[in-house]
Amino acid sequence: AQSVTQPDIHITVSEGASLELRCNYSYGATPYLFWYVQSPGQGLQLLLKYFSGDTLVQGIKGFEAEFKRSQSSFNLRKPSVHWSDAAEYFCAVGPTSGTYKYIFGTGTRLKVLA
Amino acid sequence: DAGVTQSPTHLIKTRGQQVTLRCSPKSGHDTVSWYQQALGQGPQFIFQYYEEEERQRGNFPDRFSGHQFPNYSSELNVNALLLGDSALYLCASSPGRGRYSYNEQFFGPGTRLTVL
Repeated sequence: AQSVTQPDIHITVSEGASLELRCNYSYGATPYLFWYVQSPGQGLQLLLKYFSGDTLVQGIKGFEAEFKRSQSSFNLRKPSVHWSDAAEYFCAVGPTSGTYKYIFGTGTRLKVLA
Repeated sequence: DAGVTQSPTHLIKTRGQQVTLRCSPKSGHDTVSWYQQALGQGPQFIFQYYEEEERQRGNFPDRFSGHQFPNYSSELNVNALLLGDSALYLCASSPGRGRYSYNEQFFGPGTRLTVL
């Protein structure tokens, strides 16, 4: 069965520091992968997505993610974090053959120190 | 162009009651999915509606039911509410073309349900 693991529940970084949020997935074939961000009291906003092709994906707000098939990973990165990036981040696997549902990880809460 | 809208924003119910949550999809979208997000968890898929029919269902009891209207809007109904049903309920819409929807799901702001 498909699954998504986000090993880090909380991460704290200083403003201006680099960021990497980890995501590992379990699926037999190449999945459709997404990163979403959720601010308090808000819905989910898509940061970026990977369907195929170039394994380094650029997203909004200066985020990027790299798909590594050998490690079953899709880690999210940002070179310099801004205080407004404090939020919860979710990795998700998208619909594949035989299913329409997205499967989300449990999320990583990012705290940014001034 | 309005995005996905949900109503109400917040709702407080007591155990045993029934609740109806509403969702209007983004313009041009015909597929609606519902997710339950408990505190500290990622969203869990409840079901998806396409062409007014439930296309797939997650691991939720029959107390959770839904409906999609001809204008593609949708309702989520939960009967016999339990304390554990307290959560943020998210609606997501997407274009449903093709057998499998590989397109991005656009999420609404959610309805916060509290069961006392």
